[in-house]
Amino acid sequence: SQQGEEDPQALSIQEGENATMNCSYKTSINNLQWYRQNSGRGLVHLILIRSNEREKHSGRLRVTLDTSKKSSSLLITASRAADTASYFCATYHSGNTPLVFGKGTRLSVIA
Amino acid sequence: GAGVSQSPSNKVTEKGKDVELRCDPISGHTALYWYRQSLGQGLEFLIYFQGNSAPDKSGLPSDRFSAERTGGSVSTLTIQRTQQEDSAVYLCASSLGAQGYEQYFGPGTRLTVT
Repeated sequence: SQQGEEDPQALSIQEGENATMNCSYKTSINNLQWYRQNSGRGLVHLILIRSNEREKHSGRLRVTLDTSKKSSSLLITASRAADTASYFCATYHSGNTPLVFGKGTRLSVIA
Repeated sequence: GAGVSQSPSNKVTEKGKDVELRCDPISGHTALYWYRQSLGQGLEFLIYFQGNSAPDKSGLPSDRFSAERTGGSVSTLTIQRTQQEDSAVYLCASSLGAQGYEQYFGPGTRLTVT
């Protein structure tokens, strides 16, 4: 299976701390994306990083990609209670194929 | 519309009945996806449509599941003879194209089979 896997499955931190989530995948990718899901409903796209990029920033989000290790990490700095959600990585491999989503990391930010 | 819409938002049905779930994608998006998510689990890919190409049905769990996309826009996911294990949130997403574009998700339909 090409499915990505997030690590850890669940993470609980205090407000103001940084949260780091990791994603590993098995076969080469064209791009990798991170999504957030609140309350088991629709996912919201956060950031896309291409295979030739190593790091990308968006506000308090920082994503890194290491294609040699087939892994990515999502860092949320200065976390807030509103960041409490599930975070999924999704990989695009090639051609007209759909994104492959991982199982997600459940982040709880305690005020 | 501004985003992807799905209807109904919630559906309770008796085991053995057929259900239809509807998805309205963002105008101009050529790719449309259906996913299923059981409680606390990840997304399970079901089917996707790209333009006028034949849909990729590789994720459909059984022949009780089918989907159509009429006129390259609205899509309907049909589940025949529903079973209790079909209970889940069914999510629809659309994107500009199929080649790795970001996906825009609807709010989902929560299906409960009693």
